[in-house]
Amino acid sequence: EVDLTESGGGFVHPGGSLRLSCAASGFTFSSSSMTWVRQAPGKGLEWVATITGSNVIHYTDSVKGRFTISRDNSKNTLHLQMNSLRGEDTAVYFCARVQFYYDNIGFNGRAFDFWGQGTLVTVSS
Amino acid sequence: DIQLTQSPSFLSASVGGRVTITCRASQSISTYLAWYQQKPGKAPKLLIYAASTLHSGVPSRFSGTGSGTEFSLTISSLQPEDFATYYCQELNSHPRRYTFGQGTKLEI
Repeated sequence: EVDLTESGGGFVHPGGSLRLSCAASGFTFSSSSMTWVRQAPGKGLEWVATITGSNVIHYTDSVKGRFTISRDNSKNTLHLQMNSLRGEDTAVYFCARVQFYYDNIGFNGRAFDFWGQGTLVTVSS
Repeated sequence: DIQLTQSPSFLSASVGGRVTITCRASQSISTYLAWYQQKPGKAPKLLIYAASTLHSGVPSRFSGTGSGTEFSLTISSLQPEDFATYYCQELNSHPRRYTFGQGTKLEI
């Protein structure tokens, strides 16, 4: 059974840093693409960053240069280092697995198939 | 960047009823679209990927159609547990954006 558990959220002042972690189990973590998605209070979902099994990384523009996604395959853990935090970074942060789908023709798409329960990050003075 | 527009933003329906939510992309995304369900205080759950394929364990009353720029999610025979917020997501953009629609809140 796939399980993802986030930790590391909390309260931080603007300009501060936090490191989120996502402990994974129930699947082959090292070969899986993983992602972070956030949701500001009362708002919709926003993709933050993705790291593939071969460490190809993508970020949404608003976090480039401030956030760093990484993985520790020896511990089956995904991380998000968040620096220079701003009020607009306040959100629940979810980690999720990126699943790739194939049919008899070939690649058929991708989706975020399993999600953690989320961890709240509050940035405020 | 690809924009996704869901309609309606709010939807009122009754148990046993049928609803359709539309997701329009600003440019073609083939069938690289997913639908998610989210209940208050909970993580989103994947319902449909590749525009029309049900994720494992998702009831057959959920269905998805579309390709290119027009997509829809239909829930037939609504159950009490279906009242939630639904999001579409594109998974085709280069560079990667994985944009979500703004959400559709389904209420009783």
